[in-house]
Amino acid sequence: EAGVAQSPRYKIIEKRQSVAFWCNPISGHATLYWYQQILGQGPKLLIQFQNNGVVDDSQLPKDRFSAERLKGVDSTLKIQPAKLEDSAVYLCASSSLRGGEGRNTIYFGEGSWLTVV
Amino acid sequence: SQQGEEDPQALSIQEGENATMNCSYKTSINNLQWYRQNSGRGLVHLILIRSNEREKHSGRLRVTLDTSKKSSSLLITASRAADTASYFCATDAQAGTALIFGKGTTLSVSS
Repeated sequence: EAGVAQSPRYKIIEKRQSVAFWCNPISGHATLYWYQQILGQGPKLLIQFQNNGVVDDSQLPKDRFSAERLKGVDSTLKIQPAKLEDSAVYLCASSSLRGGEGRNTIYFGEGSWLTVV
Repeated sequence: SQQGEEDPQALSIQEGENATMNCSYKTSINNLQWYRQNSGRGLVHLILIRSNEREKHSGRLRVTLDTSKKSSSLLITASRAADTASYFCATDAQAGTALIFGKGTTLSVSS
C-alpha cells in the first residue's frame, strides 16, 4: 500500500514570496490533515479535512495560509506571503475511521521542508 | 496548543538499556498514541492505547496509561542504536478529531 505522498520535499523562498505544497493521501482515506512542525517542537494541526469539507481550521493563519481539497483526494497548502517564522516542516497525514470508531491511526508523509530567508 | 508534555526532553542511554519516556496531558481523551520521528523524516505510528486500557505491548514497546493521573509512559526495552529518534505522544479528545502532539523526547542510543 502506498503511503502519503508529499511534494516538494524541500523549498527555499524569500520572505513575502508564495509557496504551495501538495499532498496525496493513502488511497481510500477520507480524512486528511496538514500539520506544521517547527524545529524542536511537536507537530501542530493547521487544518483537517473530511472528504472535501473542512472539519477544523481553527489554528490556520487564514490571512496568509490557505488549503483546499477540491475532489476529496489530493490537497494543496499555500502560504502567501511567507514570513520568516513560517520556516518549518509541513506534514500531511491521512486516516481512515474504518474498523471501529475508536481506532484513529494517522499516517504521515515525509514532510515538505520550508526555509524562508 | 499542545496537549501533551513529554518528559524528559532528552535521554541518552547505552545499547541494551531500557528507555522510559513519560507523557502528561490535560483534558480527557479517546486514545493516546506514540509516534517516532527519525531525523529529517516523517512520523511513524508506534502504538495506540485506548482510554479504557491500562497497558499494551508491541514487540519491545510497552505503553501504560493512567487516566486518573492523565499520564502515559513508553518503555523501550533492550534499546538499539536504531531506536535513536524523537518520540511524541499524541491524544485525541474523541473519535474523528485530530491528534494533538506533545513536544517530544529526543532519545539517543549509543553503541
